[in-house]
Amino acid sequence: GEDVEQSLFLSVREGDSSVINCTYTDSSSTYLYWYKQEPGAGLQLLTYIFSNMDMKQDQRLTVLLNKKDKHLSLRIADTQTGDSAIYFCAERGQAGTALIFGKGTTLSVSS
Amino acid sequence: NAGVTQTPKFQVLKTGQSMTLQCAQDMNHNSMYWYRQDPGMGLRLIYYSASEGTTDKGEVPNGYNVSRLNKREFSLRLESAAPSQTSVYFCASSAGTNTEAFFGQGTRLTVV
Repeated sequence: GEDVEQSLFLSVREGDSSVINCTYTDSSSTYLYWYKQEPGAGLQLLTYIFSNMDMKQDQRLTVLLNKKDKHLSLRIADTQTGDSAIYFCAERGQAGTALIFGKGTTLSVSS
Repeated sequence: NAGVTQTPKFQVLKTGQSMTLQCAQDMNHNSMYWYRQDPGMGLRLIYYSASEGTTDKGEVPNGYNVSRLNKREFSLRLESAAPSQTSVYFCASSAGTNTEAFFGQGTRLTVV
């Protein structure tokens, strides 16, 4: 079945880079997504990457996709305390049904 | 721009009570979804509606029913609430089945 795996916790110091990793199973996924959830709030789309791309950069965010290994990563440069949140990796289920989410990575940024 | 609106934001139910969680979107999206979020479990899909007039089960549909009332609204009903249904419920919508999903702010439900 479809599955998305992420590490549960990451702790970094302010100003460092953060790298959040994700593996997925559905090789037919055309889009892969990163969502951010701040405490007590809903999920907001952070960025996404189309499956025919290897990399996408958006300001402090860099997404890397290794389609062969089904591995996705999100790098946040110059991490700030405001980046503390839960980050979810997601892929589309088969036949484009619904997003399948990982369990989320809690990013803690200390000053 | 309201986006996806869920009501209520908080609810406490007694075991066995029923209730309906409401969700409406104003983006003219075709697809709508209900997820639940539990600590350490991430988001799990309960039901989804790929388009108006259709609904399908997700990963954890037991104990729930849904109604796609029209293109804007997708409700989730708990017929007989159980403590295991204590969770945060999120509604989401997307233009199509291969586009990004937009989420509501969530409903925090406690069943005692």
